[in-house]
Amino acid sequence: GAVVSQHPSWVICKSGTSVKIECRSLDFQATTMFWYRQFPKQSLMLMATSNEGSKATYEQGVEKDKFLINHASLTLSTLTVTSAHPEDSSFYICSARRAGQFHEQYFGPGTRLTVT
Amino acid sequence: GENVEQHPSTLSVQEGDSAVIKCTYSDSASNYFPWYKQELGKRPQLIIDIRSNVGEKKDQRIAVTLNKTAKHFSLHITETQPEDSAVYFCAASMEAGTALIFGKGTTLSVSS
Repeated sequence: GAVVSQHPSWVICKSGTSVKIECRSLDFQATTMFWYRQFPKQSLMLMATSNEGSKATYEQGVEKDKFLINHASLTLSTLTVTSAHPEDSSFYICSARRAGQFHEQYFGPGTRLTVT
Repeated sequence: GENVEQHPSTLSVQEGDSAVIKCTYSDSASNYFPWYKQELGKRPQLIIDIRSNVGEKKDQRIAVTLNKTAKHFSLHITETQPEDSAVYFCAASMEAGTALIFGKGTTLSVSS
């Protein structure tokens, strides 16, 4: 159990367009999901914490109007990169915390975004 | 907020040797310390974790030690194998499911 999926696994988009990335917990309910960004050969940087039914909490320096996060159900969170630019090209990874568990987080396989 | 420092950034060992990676954290409220292994282009995989009420935990060739007073924890891999080659990240988080804060990672290379 504890499988997290992401869709798409990779996407190429033109500068100025928007891209939506989905994160789903397949076999458990996730009250909290986290979104990370990882540049090549770098660590995972927390972007935001997403709680089901409430507004996401963004980390300092992350533009909430650019990275729209919606956690509409206990199994789905979405990240929309609006007006994407080449510097937004990165590996985006979500993780989900199972309802009732405090610590363990289960990671999705990541989404490779390339903005041309 | 929490800050996690990780050393070394790269580590090369011969097959069969041991490897040690060290991390320090800044927030004394942190009480959960997982270690992840990440292969290129893939998701991080949890390899071992430790909570603040435990000083050491072992799982076959992998062990983690925690010194709460000094606010540091270490990953020990014994009898390394080529398939251990990957990037390893330490992380820390506080109670109640707050986000993981990651160290910068260590690229481990095991040569045969």
